[in-house]
Amino acid sequence: DAGVTQSPTHLIKTRGQQVTLRCSPKSGHDTVSWYQQALGQGPQFIFQYYEEEERQRGNFPDRFSGHQFPNYSSELNVNALLLGDSALYLCASSLGGQGIISPLHFGNGTRLTVT
Amino acid sequence: QKEVEQNSGPLSVPEGAIASLNCTYSDRGSQSFFWYRQYSGKSPELIMSIYSNGDKEDGRFTAQLNKASQYVSLLIRDSQPSDSATYLCAVNQKNYGQNFVFGPGTRLSVLP
Repeated sequence: DAGVTQSPTHLIKTRGQQVTLRCSPKSGHDTVSWYQQALGQGPQFIFQYYEEEERQRGNFPDRFSGHQFPNYSSELNVNALLLGDSALYLCASSLGGQGIISPLHFGNGTRLTVT
Repeated sequence: QKEVEQNSGPLSVPEGAIASLNCTYSDRGSQSFFWYRQYSGKSPELIMSIYSNGDKEDGRFTAQLNKASQYVSLLIRDSQPSDSATYLCAVNQKNYGQNFVFGPGTRLSVLP
């Protein structure tokens, strides 16, 4: 049973550039959430996708955008990178039907370094 | 005011002891509570979920929930060096729908 997979594992970008991170959810899951985790801190919610739409969004600027595809996989895009965007980006999948609160299952993350 | 707080670490316990990790949350409408373990450089791994007041045991782990006090804890019995990690408390808050707010984590070190 495939778990959550993320790519790439590591990424180094320069300030001002754009980056795309990818995620495939755990088999059977239909909801994808993205989190940013700075060193020594807990994950911070960026947004969540369900049925190909952004369902919830955290306190992140519009430079952060995403997409969910019909096969439930998802992308996170960050434009105009800042040094402060350097972090571990975590994708988590879950079941997202109405009335369901299911645990998040995380991928291994993408370590983004902005120089 | 932070929404989910955890006892500041690092917490050091000797091998075989009980480790106690605490978490408080601000939203009384919170419905679901989770403990995740995160090894250095790795992603969070689900350990326990708890939805009702009281205790829930799974092997060496016991989660305790008290919604009136807005408090959730994790006890690790017979702590092992392999338990050394950061433990994250995650709370599903009513106004966040399916989403979870994480605490800052408590780093646990189990000394051989």
